[in-house]
Order: sequence, then C-alpha cells, then structure tokens
Amino acid sequence: GENVEQHPSTLSVQEGDSAVIKCTYSDSASNYFPWYKQELGKRPQLIIDIRSNVGEKKDQRIAVTLNKTAKHFSLHITETQPEDSAVYFCASSLDTGFQKLVFGTGTRLLVSP
Amino acid sequence: SQTIHQWPATLVQPVGSPLSLECTVEGTSNPNLYWYRQAAGRGLQLLFYSVGIGQISSEVPQNLSASRPQDRQFILSSKKLLLSDSGFYLCAWRSADTQYFGPGTRLTVL
Repeated sequence: GENVEQHPSTLSVQEGDSAVIKCTYSDSASNYFPWYKQELGKRPQLIIDIRSNVGEKKDQRIAVTLNKTAKHFSLHITETQPEDSAVYFCASSLDTGFQKLVFGTGTRLLVSP
Repeated sequence: SQTIHQWPATLVQPVGSPLSLECTVEGTSNPNLYWYRQAAGRGLQLLFYSVGIGQISSEVPQNLSASRPQDRQFILSSKKLLLSDSGFYLCAWRSADTQYFGPGTRLTVL
C-alpha cells in the first residue's frame, strides 16, 4: 500500500523567514496531495492541495510543488508569522471513486517573533 | 452549507467500559464518511470508512467497530476499552476532492 514520509519532524524559523516541508510517496498512481494544518487541540484544516496534473499551486503565502518523477511534493510558506506555528500534515491519495488519504507523520513548525 | 458534528467533545472512561462516539453531517447526502484516530503527538490513522448506509470498511483490526445506521450518521463503538484506545478521534466527510474533519472527541482511558 501507499506510504508517505514527511520531513523534518520539527522546524524552527524566525518570523519573516521561509519554511519548507517535504513529503515523499511510494505509489506512482497517487493523484491527489492535500496539506493540513493542525493547531494545538484543534481539528486538522485543509490549507492547500494539488492534483497530479499540476506541478505547482500557490495561495498567497503558501505554495505546493509536485515532482511526479521523483514522487515528492513540498509545502512552502513565505514570510512566516507566529500564527503559522502548528503541526502540518501532508497526505496522498489514489482517487478511484473512493478516496483514502494516507498521511505523513507531521511537522511541528515553530515561528519565533 | 455543510457542517459536521461530533459528540461528546471529551470523554474519560475506565478500562473495560463500552464506548459510543457519534458523528453527524448536515447539508449533504450520501457522503463518504471516515473515522480517524490520532494518538498524542502522532499522525492520523484511518480506522473505518463508509460509502453508504450499512457499508463499513475496516482499516485496522482492533477492538473498535463502526456503524452507519443513517445516511448522515456514523458511529464508533467498542465493547471493552483498552488503555491504548486513548486518543483524539476525528470524523471526516468528503466533498469533491477534499476531506473535512469534525471537531473531534478527546478520549482518555484510565
């Protein structure tokens, strides 16, 4: 079955710096890749996603890139702010009519003022 | 608009006691529904998913079970809780490509 690896497990940056989180997946047929942000004690919330027919997607300070050949995708956050501090999860899915997400192990991002 | 509810929000139960967690979705029909568990400081583990009433698929063999008695209701149960059942239980539903999570139930088994 699908396996998703996520790095780093923790990431500390200064406010205003950029942050990059990387994930690799094992099933070359996977075609949907969402990213979720989870604040302490809260539910995960979708922040951005990308399909396999797109190489890059951007939403304000957040972008995701996908390299299908290498089977990896990355989350990029620019101009980080303290409120970006949270745990970020990547996931992958092969959508064959029913979607089953396989999640990475999470990255704890700490943005210091 | 669609809304997903879970209750209770928190629960403390003794080992060996039964469990029933409920999830309901509003504003949609025949949704794909999911139960996930998140152990403290860990990732999300898919437990069960359902494509319709009475249709349940299990991902992880354990002492938990799930049922879908109505189109927009998904229930997670156990006859006898174990210490290892402690965690944050999240229900999710799918809209187009995206899964949206409910507010979760934090379960502590003592």
